[in-house]
Amino acid sequence: AQKITQTQPGMFVQEKEAVTLDCTYDTSDPSYGLFWYKQPSSGEMIFLIYQGSYDQQNATEGRYSLNFQKARKSANLVISASQLGDSAMYFCAMREGMGSSYKLIFGSGTRLLVRP
Amino acid sequence: DSGVTQTPKHLITATGQRVTLRCSPRSGDLSVYWYQQSLDQGLQFLIHYYNGEERAKGNILERFSAQQFPDLHSELNLSSLELGDSALYFCASSPQGGGSQETQYFGPGTRLLVL
Repeated sequence: AQKITQTQPGMFVQEKEAVTLDCTYDTSDPSYGLFWYKQPSSGEMIFLIYQGSYDQQNATEGRYSLNFQKARKSANLVISASQLGDSAMYFCAMREGMGSSYKLIFGSGTRLLVRP
Repeated sequence: DSGVTQTPKHLITATGQRVTLRCSPRSGDLSVYWYQQSLDQGLQFLIHYYNGEERAKGNILERFSAQQFPDLHSELNLSSLELGDSALYFCASSPQGGGSQETQYFGPGTRLLVL
């Protein structure tokens, strides 16, 4: 079965510094997608970045980049120049399924706190 | 703002009652997914609809049911509510049936509290 593991329940980072949130996954499917979502204290789930299993380059979206190491089955999120507004829960997710459904499987999340 | 809307934002009800959660997907999206987020179970997939048809079921209880209407909005019905059903319920949408490049965009969620 497909699985997502986030081993860091909580992390601190100083404002303006970079931080890496870890995510490892397990799948036997050669075609899959990896996603990161941000959940601030208000509760909504905000899509940040996507990486496809066949993508040759690491995905980037503004201050977010995904360090994709396929052989190690890791998809770490890197946030550069942290801001106070980055304080939130971060979830790594993998798209499961072929054909009829592509449900997301989520990790347990990492709570990031940015210090001023 | 993802473009996915959910109502109500908050819901407080009693055990044994029935509630309906509503979701409107982003304009043009054909797929709707429902997820439950609870403290003990984390984020769990419940059910997926594509253009009015059920595509996949996850860990959805028999007391729960959903449908997607011709205008593509979806409703999640929760009946015989128990304390353990208290959770944040998300709806997400995507353009098609879940192709390899598709991102699911989440609504703001409905926070359900069963007393």
